[in-house]
Amino acid sequence: EVQLVESGGGLVQPGGSLRLSCAVSGFTFSGHDMNWVRQAPGKGLEWVSYISSGTIIYYADSVKGRFTISRDNAKNSLYLQMNSLRAEDTAIYYCARGGSGWDYWGQGTLVTVSS
Amino acid sequence: AIRMTQSPSSLSASTGDRVTMTCRASQGISSYLAWYQQKPGKAPKLLIYAASTLQSGVPSRFSGSGSGTDFTLTITCLQSEDFATYYCQQYYSYPRTFGQGTKVEIK
Repeated sequence: EVQLVESGGGLVQPGGSLRLSCAVSGFTFSGHDMNWVRQAPGKGLEWVSYISSGTIIYYADSVKGRFTISRDNAKNSLYLQMNSLRAEDTAIYYCARGGSGWDYWGQGTLVTVSS
Repeated sequence: AIRMTQSPSSLSASTGDRVTMTCRASQGISSYLAWYQQKPGKAPKLLIYAASTLQSGVPSRFSGSGSGTDFTLTITCLQSEDFATYYCQQYYSYPRTFGQGTKVEIK
């Protein structure tokens, strides 16, 4: 069974940092592209970042220079290092598998940026 | 960035109805379009990719069509479990972008 489990969310002050993790199982992680997607409370979906099975990385303009995506294929894990957090980064963060249609998603982890 | 515009933003329908919603891209995206269903408190679920290919395990009452800039998601014979919000997403280029969603509510 394919599983993606996010962790690392929480309450952080503006300007602070958090590192999200996405632990995957049930498929060959190293062979798949991965994404982070977020959803602000009551709002729609926003793509955040992509990392290929190789070394290609993309970011949304809204997080470029502040967030860093990475992966550890040996640990079957995807990461999102989030620095200089702003109130507008408050959202549920999902990891999702795929480069085209995203067929598997985690349950999400809530990040709240507030003083 | 490619802008995706969905219409309507919401619709009311009854069980058994046929429901159609549209998604328009601000520039041509060929068939690089996916549709997702999201229920409250849950992660999105992939329904359709490549504009018209049904994801494995998705009921055949869901269908997608279109190419270029105009796309449609149709649900024939709406079921109670279909009341949810539906999002289109283009994967033609980065940044990946979503429509704002169409919420299907019970009439």
